[in-house]
Amino acid sequence: AQTVTQSQPEMSVQEAETVTLSCTYDTSESNYYLFWYKQPPSRQMILVIRQEAYKQQNATENRFSVNFQKAAKSFSLKISDSQLGDTAMYFCALHQGAQKLVFGQGTRLTINP
Amino acid sequence: DTAVSQTPKYLVTQMGNDKSIKCEQNLGHDTMYWYKQDSKKFLKIMFSYNNKELIINETVPNRFSPKSPDKAHLNLHINSLELGDSAVYFCASSRLGLAEDNEQFFGPGTRLTVL
Repeated sequence: AQTVTQSQPEMSVQEAETVTLSCTYDTSESNYYLFWYKQPPSRQMILVIRQEAYKQQNATENRFSVNFQKAAKSFSLKISDSQLGDTAMYFCALHQGAQKLVFGQGTRLTINP
Repeated sequence: DTAVSQTPKYLVTQMGNDKSIKCEQNLGHDTMYWYKQDSKKFLKIMFSYNNKELIINETVPNRFSPKSPDKAHLNLHINSLELGDSAVYFCASSRLGLAEDNEQFFGPGTRLTVL
């Protein structure tokens, strides 16, 4: 069975700081995709970044980057120069065929001014 | 233009009632989904349809019946509503069928409250 675990229910940092959200997962497949979604108070689910398991290079999207450790089944999200608008729930998700996403429990991130 | 839309955004109803939530996507996607987000924010797949055909049913009670009249629409009908059905329901769609590179686009969610 696929599982995704986010061990940090809540995190809080000051504006402009860097923050890392952790995610571990379990799958028996060799190819899969991993995603980070952001859910601000508006409730809308927004894709932040994704990583294909075959690619060794870590994905980067502007201030967002991941540290993908395939052997350790770890997929952390780093947010650099954090902004007030980054305040949201962040969900790590695994997609491995079967046309469904398996989500972690979420991490509530608060950026303080 | 809204990519994935859901109506209504909020739904408050009494236990035992029957209600429907509608979802439409204008992205030309073949696959649509329903997810449930509970009070602890946990998101879980309920159903998935590909070209109007059911492909995933995650052990959801049969009081929940999805219907896909065409590939742009996936509606969720819930019979005999129970308190535990209170949650936010998200519709999503994706372009690719069986490939793993399957970015899903989410609707704004429908907050269902059963009294």
